[in-house]
Amino acid sequence: EVHLVESGGGLVKPGGSLRLSCAASGFTFVSYTMNWVRQAPGKGLEWVSSISRSGDDKYYADSVKGRFTVSRDNAKNSLYLQMNDLRVDDTAVYYCATYLWEVPYWGQGILVTVSS
Amino acid sequence: DIVLTQSPGTLALSPGERATLSCRASQSLTSDYLAWYQQKPGQAPRLLIYDASSRATGIPDRFSGSGSGTDFTLTITRLEPEDFAVYFCHQYDTSPLTFGGGTRVEIK
Repeated sequence: EVHLVESGGGLVKPGGSLRLSCAASGFTFVSYTMNWVRQAPGKGLEWVSSISRSGDDKYYADSVKGRFTVSRDNAKNSLYLQMNDLRVDDTAVYYCATYLWEVPYWGQGILVTVSS
Repeated sequence: DIVLTQSPGTLALSPGERATLSCRASQSLTSDYLAWYQQKPGQAPRLLIYDASSRATGIPDRFSGSGSGTDFTLTITRLEPEDFAVYFCHQYDTSPLTFGGGTRVEIK
């Protein structure tokens, strides 16, 4: 069974940093593109970042470009999101997501709150 | 980017009634990789439909998806009390991933 479990969220001050992790199991992690998606409180969903199977190709939404860095460790079946220079409007639940045989799989999400 | 427009914004219906939700894409989805999710307050989205019309594991057959290209529909044949929630569509056909703004199904 596919499992995606996010961790590393919490409360951080504006300008601060946080590193999210996503532990994957139940599928061949190295074979799939991985993604981060977020949902601000009371708002819709927003794609944040994607990373290719090898980790060589990385893509970012304009809203986070230059501040967030996505990475993966295929040996550890793990996905990461390093978030720097956090802003109040980065407050959201962050989900890791992948698509296996055209079926979307998401984690349960982790809350990041940016507030002074 | 593909923009997904959902309508109506809010649907007020009674239990037992039929709900029809629309999702329109700004450009055609090549492989119809469109999903529908249900979300309740404080919960993660729950996958209902993928590939436009395939029901996810454990989803009751009162939920069905249809459509192709740019026009997609989620139908709930007989609303149960637990079906009152927000529903949103999501395309994973073309990067970047994009999402509709949601339709709220509320009790009339």
